[in-house]
Amino acid sequence: DSGVTQTPKHLITATGQRVTLRCSPRSGDLSVYWYQQSLDQGLQFLIQYYNGEERAKGNILERFSAQQFPDLHSELNLSSLELGDSALYFCASSALSDRTDTQYFGPGTRLTVL
Amino acid sequence: AQSVTQLDSQVPVFEEAPVELRCNYSSSVSVYLFWYVQYPNQGLQLLLKYLSGSTLVKGINGFEAEFNKSQTSFHLRKPSVHISDTAEYFCAVTVLDTGRRALTFGSGTRLQVQP
Repeated sequence: DSGVTQTPKHLITATGQRVTLRCSPRSGDLSVYWYQQSLDQGLQFLIQYYNGEERAKGNILERFSAQQFPDLHSELNLSSLELGDSALYFCASSALSDRTDTQYFGPGTRLTVL
Repeated sequence: AQSVTQLDSQVPVFEEAPVELRCNYSSSVSVYLFWYVQYPNQGLQLLLKYLSGSTLVKGINGFEAEFNKSQTSFHLRKPSVHISDTAEYFCAVTVLDTGRRALTFGSGTRLQVQP
């Protein structure tokens, strides 16, 4: 158990819909990362937040957005869903220290778009 | 931008045999290097990491990796594998840019340990 929790575990929805994925980081970690794992694209970095502020952006679509709240949990919002958005979405957290930074991954949310 | 190449998509090996999973990276700046393991239907677990210092890094479950700067490689090895090592293994890099630690992953290597 990494200490990172993600809900829900599975999500099945239809094209055009909007969903919200939730992540709670490890106790004390200020940085949260979102990754997408799909068969054709592999593991891709989407976005990073640090203490409520966006820190870095990767291959995140405009239809996707995220935020980190004062209690440090994070939400990833996916809208106007397409079949190709079906994937496993991971959240990771880290303390973001200079020397020993390690990202700890949650169990993921499997999104299926029908 | 940095990139990671895992040269083998699948590696079949018999139980108790040694194994090496290959990883090469490309970056114009210094990097941190990682190996993660993903068991079926689970998240990613850190096996080991290289930040600096000794180029031979030991990790969990008997795995080790060697950083070779001249060959830009970070190959993962285990002298004797078990059935329970069957999983997908990912090599990853991040650049030494304070505050931005997004991981760039390779495409993964599926290790299949056979009895």
